[in-house]
Formats: sequence, C-alpha cells, structure tokens
Amino acid sequence: DAKTTQPPSMDCAEGRAANLPCNHSTISGNEYVYWYRQIHSQGPQYIIHGLKNNETNEMASLIITEDRKSSTLILPHATLRDTAVYYCIGARLNYGGSQGNLIFGKGTKLSVKP
Amino acid sequence: DGGITQSPKYLFRKEGQNVTLSCEQNLNHDAMYWYRQDPGQGLRLIYYSQIVNDFQKGDIAEGYSVSREKKESFPLTVTSAQKNPTAFYLCASLDPTISTEAFFGQGTRLTVV
Repeated sequence: DAKTTQPPSMDCAEGRAANLPCNHSTISGNEYVYWYRQIHSQGPQYIIHGLKNNETNEMASLIITEDRKSSTLILPHATLRDTAVYYCIGARLNYGGSQGNLIFGKGTKLSVKP
Repeated sequence: DGGITQSPKYLFRKEGQNVTLSCEQNLNHDAMYWYRQDPGQGLRLIYYSQIVNDFQKGDIAEGYSVSREKKESFPLTVTSAQKNPTAFYLCASLDPTISTEAFFGQGTRLTVV
C-alpha cells in the first residue's frame, strides 16, 4: 500500500476554502486515494475517494494530479465544525481477494478559525 | 440502524490484568480492523481479519490477541504482556468487494493504573 505524506498542521479562516495536500508518489495503478477525518476523540469518518478523475460529493472535492503522485482535498467553505485531523490513504479496492491494510499516517490537523 | 459498536467507551484496569474490548457490527462486513491511537498520533494497526476464523497481525500486534468466531464480532484482548496499554482503541469494518470505505466505532479509551 502506498505511503502518503501530509503536512502536520494547517489553519483556515471560517468560510474560506481549505485545501489539504497529500503526496503519494509510490501509489500503484490499482490503489485509490481515500480521505478520512477524525474529530477529537471520535472514530474517523469517511470523506471521499478517487482513482484518477476528480471527485466531488456533498462534503468535499478531491483533485488528483494526472500522474497520480499527489492530491488535494478541498473543503469549499470551511466551518468551525471542520476542525479535525484529516488522513490521506492509498488503498486497493479488491474484489474477493485479500484486502490491503488501511494504513493511517499522522494526518493533517486542520484548525478552522473564526 | 446498521453500524459498528464498541463497548465500553471508557475502561479502567489494574496493571497486570488482561482486558477484552468489544467490537460488534451489523453491516455484514467481512473485514474488520483494530487500531491503537496515542495522544497526538495517528492510528496504528494492531490486527485485522479478512474473514471469519482468519486474522493477521498488524504493525503492533505484540501484547494483543484477537478472535473472529463470528462475522459480526472481533474482540480484542489486551494482555499483561502489552507494556503500555493505556490508549484509545478503534475498531473498523468494511466490505472490500464493494468499497474500502471503512466504518469506525466510537472507540474505547483504556486506562491502566
């Protein structure tokens, strides 16, 4: 499974877009990029995932570079409730075979400030 | 409602005692995971199970044991051999045939005194 690298912390003003970067230069062709977030003392929550194309859902947008070596999670209008640790993970989607581990690094601590 | 449940939320034990943390899911997921989280740190994988009656060690399995006798349940035992058992423990499950979107429980905070 791909190793990912994220900045340890970021600040964002409330109402502005939060852009969280992730480097995954060793990602293989069949590994998806997943993003989770963890609000203090709770279990992580799934946000979004993608393979090659950019993705958008009600929570966020995911921009993956053409060479797939990096990606950016975008929270378009950050609120105070978006303050959390954000994890970027490379993981395989495997039909019926052995599933790769879900390896979480230290993530990025996003602080949204009023 | 479908979900994954960990119990208890807080657990206190004396040093030298074994303790078992519960993780139950009704999502019909084959794969289940146990993670440990220390203050200010990321999640570290303890054990995982792809299917009933099968499990593999993660990165920090020493001092822990698991069983997977039922699809719904994946209990974790913290043994007296674990040198620093005080931590936040998280259980997760997913269906790898559909997605690697993992569902997490709310965690158990274990304190050993």
